[in-house]
Amino acid sequence: DSGVTQTPKHLITATGQRVTLRCSPRSGDLSVYWYQQSLDQGLQFLIQYYNGEERAKGNILERFSAQQFPDLHSELNLSSLELGDSALYFCASSPSGDYGYTFGSGTRLTVV
Amino acid sequence: TQLLEQSPQFLSIQEGENLTVYCNSSSVFSSLQWYRQEPGEGPVLLVTVVTGGEVKKLKRLTFQFGDARKDSSLHITAAQPGDTGLYLCAPGGGADGLTFGKGTHLIIQP
Repeated sequence: DSGVTQTPKHLITATGQRVTLRCSPRSGDLSVYWYQQSLDQGLQFLIQYYNGEERAKGNILERFSAQQFPDLHSELNLSSLELGDSALYFCASSPSGDYGYTFGSGTRLTVV
Repeated sequence: TQLLEQSPQFLSIQEGENLTVYCNSSSVFSSLQWYRQEPGEGPVLLVTVVTGGEVKKLKRLTFQFGDARKDSSLHITAAQPGDTGLYLCAPGGGADGLTFGKGTHLIIQP
C-alpha cells in the first residue's frame, strides 16, 4: 500500500457519459498530480493541485476537469467520454515534488 | 517540456544476465528519478540522482547520473524474473508534474 488511494479501480462506461475519479493523497502531502497512461502515449501529466489550488496544467483536455478539496482529496472529472479516453488514470502525491512522487494503483477506465 | 528518450524500448533477456537501460536528453536536469511500474500498478520510485557523475546502488541495481546531468543509466546485475516491469525516468526538481520518458519494457525470462 503506497498510501495514495484511488477509487474506483475499474470503471466501464459508454461514450458521451461523465465519470468522476477520486484520489486521497498520502498523509501530509499537499500536492496531487493526475496522469493518464495509454499504450501509445505513455504516462502523460494532466494537472496538479497544491493545497486546494491549481498549480500546473499539462495535456488535459477541456472535457476534463479536476479539483482538490479542503481535506486534500482530489477528484478528476471526465465528461463527454470518447473511446480514446480509455486508459489508466493515476494519481500521485508529494510533499514538494523535488525528490519523488508516490503513485496510487490507478483507475482503469474503459469507454465502450 | 524536457524531452526524455529511453532506450531500448523493449528488452527481453534470460534470468542471470546483466543489462543496461538508458535515459537521455539534450536538457540539463537538476535531478533525475527512476521508477519501476508493474502491470496494473502505479510507478514506484526507485531512486533520485542529483549530482553529476553520481552512482547509487540499490541491491543489484546501479544508477548513474551523467557528468553533464543530461543522461542516466540503470544497470541490473544477474537479472531475476522479479525485475520484470516498465522502467521509467523523469526529471525531478520541478514544481510541475513529472515529464516521463516512454520507458523500457523489461522482461526477464526464467
